[in-house]
Amino acid sequence: AQTVTQSQPEMSVQEAETVTLSCTYDTSESNYYLFWYKQPPSRQMILVIRQEAYKQQNATENRFSVNFQKAAKSFSLKISDSQLGDTAMYFCTGNQFYFGTGTSLTVIP
Amino acid sequence: DTGVSQNPRHKITKRGQNVTFRCDPISEHNRLYWYRQTLGQGPEFLTYFQNEAQLEKSRLLSDRFSAERPKGSFSTLEIQRTEQGDSAMYLCASSEGRDTFTDTQYFGPGTRLTVL
Repeated sequence: AQTVTQSQPEMSVQEAETVTLSCTYDTSESNYYLFWYKQPPSRQMILVIRQEAYKQQNATENRFSVNFQKAAKSFSLKISDSQLGDTAMYFCTGNQFYFGTGTSLTVIP
Repeated sequence: DTGVSQNPRHKITKRGQNVTFRCDPISEHNRLYWYRQTLGQGPEFLTYFQNEAQLEKSRLLSDRFSAERPKGSFSTLEIQRTEQGDSAMYLCASSEGRDTFTDTQYFGPGTRLTVL
């Protein structure tokens, strides 16, 4: 079984600034992936980034990167140079059956 | 690749009626997932299929809910005797099916159900 906790229900960031979204998880699995998904208003959910737990190097996808702290079971998402199109709900998940409650991010022009 | 499609996009029904939703996954994706999402919450897992086999069901999937995936292609989710608490967005996703823990899920736009 796996649980995922997102403790920031809402966040805002000025356009072009950097913001970090937090996620903690608990799992009994020895090998797993972690994922961040994005759900823009009235649009479908898409994958932002994923991290392989056995890799020490943090995943990066353009302006999105993760800070994966395996011992602390922490998996935060950093968005650099925030853009208006980043406004969305962000969900983290481990085994992908169970999602966190989400963080609503608003990018302010 | 046309992505995951869901029909209808919106459904309004009266309490006690039956409703059926359809999901067409990305072609050649072996796994198909159903979730329920209420406003401001994350997706809640309902069930998933590996080809035509329904491999796991959440306790949220009461006996009023049934899902099928005949021939391992499209899937249907039926809710019988709808209740107002069933009002939610129903999301479908598909993945290649190599591994639940590593597959990327591709989501459809969802079906919004309103039970009056």
